[in-house]
Amino acid sequence: AQRVTQPEKLLSVFKGAPVELKCNYSYSGSPELFWYVQYSRQRLQLLLRHISRESIKGFTADLNKGETSFHLKKPFAQEEDSAMYYCALRAQGAQKLVFGQGTRLTINP
Amino acid sequence: GAVVSQHPSWVICKSGTSVKIECRSLDFQATTMFWYRQFPKQSLMLMATSNEGSKATYEQGVEKDKFLINHASLTLSTLTVTSAHPEDSSFYICSARSSTVEQFFGPGTRLTVL
Repeated sequence: AQRVTQPEKLLSVFKGAPVELKCNYSYSGSPELFWYVQYSRQRLQLLLRHISRESIKGFTADLNKGETSFHLKKPFAQEEDSAMYYCALRAQGAQKLVFGQGTRLTINP
Repeated sequence: GAVVSQHPSWVICKSGTSVKIECRSLDFQATTMFWYRQFPKQSLMLMATSNEGSKATYEQGVEKDKFLINHASLTLSTLTVTSAHPEDSSFYICSARSSTVEQFFGPGTRLTVL
């Protein structure tokens, strides 16, 4: 069975500081990995997916198969980045996403 | 991005009654829709996956007779909570995807059972 672990429930950094939200997974095949973000009182939104290798709102994430990680990074945090972040995995050939428990990121002014 | 809507956004009902929640994909045809439940300050818990025209696939521990899911068209899925009880009070979220559109989420429906 697949599992996604986000070890930090809460993360607080100052504006302008780098931020890294950790995500580790367990899956023996080739996963598709995603980061979703949920701003206050808003729906869950797709932030980025590893196969796109894109940068959205300054965030990037690299899939490290050796460490089975997909950490989300941003070099300079902004106050509007404060939100709940979920890492998710989809197994090869599967339809459903398996979500981590989420990390609440707070950017302090 | 693609738009997924839910109706109603919130509902209050009496214990023992049934409640229907609709999920629509507004600008794409969703071959697959998903229903989640989210408790306060917790992650999303997948309840079931439904493919258009097929019976839904329920996750372990989810009662299919209690949570009836219908996905009769490519743009509409419904979740009916039958004989609702206070413990069914929760935030229910749907999402939809197709072969070309990644999973997009609805805004959620808050159900309160008195």
